Amino acid sequence: DIQMTQSPSSLSASVGDRVTITCRASQDIRNSLAWYQQKPGKVPKLLIYAASTLYSGVPSRFSGSGSGTDFTLTISSLQPEDVATYYCQKYNSVPFTFGPGTKVDIK
Amino acid sequence: QVQLQESGPGLVKPSQTLSLNCTVSGGSISSGYYHWNWIRQPPGKGLEWIGCFSYYTGNTHYNPSLESRLTISVDTSKNQFSLELSSVTAADTAMYYCARDGRDWGQGALVTVSS
Repeated sequence: DIQMTQSPSSLSASVGDRVTITCRASQDIRNSLAWYQQKPGKVPKLLIYAASTLYSGVPSRFSGSGSGTDFTLTISSLQPEDVATYYCQKYNSVPFTFGPGTKVDIK
Repeated sequence: QVQLQESGPGLVKPSQTLSLNCTVSGGSISSGYYHWNWIRQPPGKGLEWIGCFSYYTGNTHYNPSLESRLTISVDTSKNQFSLELSSVTAADTAMYYCARDGRDWGQGALVTVSS
């Protein structure tokens, strides 16, 4: 099975900072990657699918890039409401494995 | 807009079977090109994909780590799909979510495995 890793596991940044999270697949998954945001105590929400397509209603400060094995989620200007854990998930083939998550908080 | 709602016992004894239902409203489980998923999250930990079925392909897929204990089924008459996980242990304690692809999620059902 394809393994998913994320880095860093956690980060702390200031409001307005540009934040980048990396997700890596152990094999080529083309662009079959989604990013989710999960705030404490809440249900995960889809941010991006097909590696770079912003889901409806998601603020434009979120963006995704990459293909193959290396992917990036970028928050262009971190806001207090972005405090959350972010997960990537592959869906090119089963199992639809999640990455371990990256916890983002405000410095 | 599609809504999903998990239901089932919140407490299951070790070695017994965990059973959950996901009722779908606002759309038919038998239409469209969707994967209907089960996902879980142990307290304080990350998300784990459990399995899914696809009505348009007729296929059901399971996480290999759970496959020997897992059954996912569908009842189109109730617009509902279900999860059964047998021989549970404390490690199966988690919030269990159902989801349509990754776009629509239920609110989750907390299941605790304890005697």
